Amino acid sequence: GAGVSQSPSNKVTEKGKDVELRCDPISGHTALYWYRQRLGQGLEFLIYFQGNSAPDKSGLPSDRFSAERTGESVSTLTIQRTQQEDSAVYLCASSLEATSTKTFGSGTRLTVV
Amino acid sequence: KQEVTQIPAALSVPEGENLVLNCSFTDSAIYNLQWFRQDPGKGLTSLLLIQSSQREQTSGRLNASLDKSSGRSTLYIAASQPGDSATYLCAVRGGETSGSRLTFGEGTQLTVNP
Repeated sequence: GAGVSQSPSNKVTEKGKDVELRCDPISGHTALYWYRQRLGQGLEFLIYFQGNSAPDKSGLPSDRFSAERTGESVSTLTIQRTQQEDSAVYLCASSLEATSTKTFGSGTRLTVV
Repeated sequence: KQEVTQIPAALSVPEGENLVLNCSFTDSAIYNLQWFRQDPGKGLTSLLLIQSSQREQTSGRLNASLDKSSGRSTLYIAASQPGDSATYLCAVRGGETSGSRLTFGEGTQLTVNP
């Protein structure tokens, strides 16, 4: 597609439920990033995929968070047993290669009630 | 650990004014630096990307400079317009010691008053 697509755009879930967020990067982009932005705060790095290399998971805040990417296509970010502090906008970005311009999706606004 | 600081945190100017946003980073071993704008409730829009070997990039009324050795970048906006009102973020992609992540500053919230 023309841009990075994220779904759903909004998600309200009950505390303790699992959620899955999806990111469709720009076709051909080898690098894919997930970030989290809490209300009024800056972007917080979560995870980075580059081609078929092992992902950089160093930003994941706890073992409740995991992400997968199949090849150079879709990525899913899964949050298990959601907590209220998980409420944030989750942003996905992709780039042609690691040093290229990053293009961001519009994000998924997650609200845990 | 890379840290990125943006000054000022907020800025309000009258339409037509030229302005400068500042970004500083603690680890000068970077691959590149990128400026974004973020509109309320929306994702990020890339404005300019400066590779570590470059000193500046220009796009329309925007000019970004990079002084890698001193760990600083500036975003210059000429003849500001109300449509420029947004939060401006700078982000650096680190070198080998910082991994592959982008590290973001907290942003400068710009308001251009008509």
